[in-house]
Amino acid sequence: DAGVIQSPRHEVTEMGQEVTLRCKPISGHDYLFWYRQTMMRGLELLIYFNNNVPIDDSGMPEDRFSAKMPNASFSTLKIQPSEPRDSAVYFCASGTGTLNTEAFFGQGTRLTVV
Amino acid sequence: AQSVAQPEDQVNVAEGNPLTVKCTYSVSGNPYLFWYVQYPNRGLQFLLKYITGDNLVKGSYGFEAEFNKSQTSFHLKKPSALVSDSALYFCAVRDETGRRALTFGSGTRLQVQP
Repeated sequence: DAGVIQSPRHEVTEMGQEVTLRCKPISGHDYLFWYRQTMMRGLELLIYFNNNVPIDDSGMPEDRFSAKMPNASFSTLKIQPSEPRDSAVYFCASGTGTLNTEAFFGQGTRLTVV
Repeated sequence: AQSVAQPEDQVNVAEGNPLTVKCTYSVSGNPYLFWYVQYPNRGLQFLLKYITGDNLVKGSYGFEAEFNKSQTSFHLKKPSALVSDSALYFCAVRDETGRRALTFGSGTRLQVQP
């Protein structure tokens, strides 16, 4: 398996524009997680899905953020409208439902909003 | 609620010397503990985990970690540091009663000097 695949790797956009980040989890994993990494706040969980259903979205900062998982092999994180403070590295990770297994991370998308 | 503390922002060690990166945790039930490493512009890579059993866990690249229940700690160790070990290290926890997503510490930057 190629691992968790995220696209794009880098995104530069202007304030107010819509941004869509994409993630393909590892085949067979039934959990998918979106994290955000910033210098100030470290790694924050934004939302996670189980079997394509959102389980906990308490980490989503504002209504400008939304996430979907239309099927087991694809998820999106959308920011509309984007703001400079959204600049961060966004990671997608996937895993199985057992408590003792690790999560597998993608390479991340570095978002810069100017 | 579960939480992780990494008290040191940075650890400096000379090549060949032993290294320790500290981590303490707080959970409601039994903990599942993980260490990840992040190299520049890369995603998080799994190093090792504690589930149950021996308190000393061995992982990738010669790293090991010691679980101490009474001190609620899970410190990462390596007998002899390499310059290539220089990276950002994250401790993470999941408990048996909580959410499936990992909760991460703030990260510790390890700098190994030649």
